[in-house]
Amino acid sequence: NAGVMQNPRHLVRRRGQEARLRCSPMKGHSHVYWYRQLPEEGLKFMVYLQKENIIDESGMPKERFSAEFPKEGPSILRIQQVVRGDSAAYFCASSPTTGETNYGYTFGSGTRLTVV
Amino acid sequence: LAKTTQPISMDSYEGQEVNITCSHNNIATNDYITWYQQFPSQGPRFIIQGYKTKVTNEVASLFIPADRKSSTLSLPRVSLSDTAVYYCLVGDRDAGNMLTFGGGTRLMVKP
Repeated sequence: NAGVMQNPRHLVRRRGQEARLRCSPMKGHSHVYWYRQLPEEGLKFMVYLQKENIIDESGMPKERFSAEFPKEGPSILRIQQVVRGDSAAYFCASSPTTGETNYGYTFGSGTRLTVV
Repeated sequence: LAKTTQPISMDSYEGQEVNITCSHNNIATNDYITWYQQFPSQGPRFIIQGYKTKVTNEVASLFIPADRKSSTLSLPRVSLSDTAVYYCLVGDRDAGNMLTFGGGTRLMVKP
């Protein structure tokens, strides 16, 4: 049973380009969460999605960032026109349906985005 | 969401027991206490979760006093591979809410 799969592991983009980060949740998990982590800091919540729905995007910057979790396929975090300040590790977590998080959320290994 | 406070860093030696305490004075009735471990270049990994008293698994123990305003993660006989950042989180596990991470405690285990 594969865990949360994120790809790519490392992504380098020039300023102004688009970055697409993918996350495939654990089998049977229908909730996906995206977090951003700057060096030497804790994880900051960005967005919480269920299939085809954004439940909470209170941590998402208002511009350039978007997320989706389609009916089929992985969840995508999209960053348009990247800037150097977007350089960070982006982690995805998944959980079963609400009420079954007895064992916490399962995190992927992250995507390290570097904007040059 | 209840805010947590934990030491920024701790040092220990191999074979010792390590106790990391977390303060969460504003914990709500429905909140659970969960601890995660994060190694460099990896995502956080669930360690243990509890509501009150004591919880023990194969990795750690979690002690929660009656007022639930703090909790202590206990790691028995640490090894070098336990060097990591440990995060204490509180939240309603049945609400589907996102987790809120603080700065964590950076544990360094020395030989």
